[in-house]
Amino acid sequence: EAGVAQSPRYKIIEKRQSVAFWCNPISGHATLYWYQQILGQGPKLLIQFQNNGVVDDSQLPKDRFSAERLKGVDSTLKIQPAKLEDSAVYLCASSWGRQETQYFGPGTRLLVL
Amino acid sequence: SQQGEEDPQALSIQEGENATMNCSYKTSINNLQWYRQNSGRGLVHLILIRSNEREKHSGRLRVTLDTSKKSSSLLITASRAADTASYFCATGSVYQGGKLIFGQGTELSVKP
Repeated sequence: EAGVAQSPRYKIIEKRQSVAFWCNPISGHATLYWYQQILGQGPKLLIQFQNNGVVDDSQLPKDRFSAERLKGVDSTLKIQPAKLEDSAVYLCASSWGRQETQYFGPGTRLLVL
Repeated sequence: SQQGEEDPQALSIQEGENATMNCSYKTSINNLQWYRQNSGRGLVHLILIRSNEREKHSGRLRVTLDTSKKSSSLLITASRAADTASYFCATGSVYQGGKLIFGQGTELSVKP
């Protein structure tokens, strides 16, 4: 079974630029999550999708972050404009349903200069 | 908001020794999960224990859950250098809408 795929793996941008991350979950997984992990901390949930609907985006900075899940499969997370404090690893995860085991992708490491 | 707190923050042991990491949380949960993260990599799911379970085993891993004390422990027996990683506990609850809330992690170093 293929795992969660993410791209790109690394991205360096300057502040005020925009960036987008892509995630392809495990086939058949209805629930998709985006997490932000700042160095030295645990992952923090940004947004959770159930199929193509948003379940929880309470910790998503909506003035600069946006996310969508196309046809309930792939998802993109965008930051526009980026700030220095957005430097982090962005992790995508998927699961069969809520309250189930989450499987993580390798993450995208973002550095904002 | 942070739910789980791991203890210790860092642990250094010799190969062959056992490693114990603890996790405490604040509110009622439906399940607690442990994940491992190697440097620069994504998280790997280790084990899930539900609120009505007290102990689970998986290979060299043993997880306990005490809901009365709101705490869990992860024991790695006969540790290997390859176990060097950060270990996170994460709590899941219907009150959290199914999302996981992660702790800060324990950084384990196993010296050969």
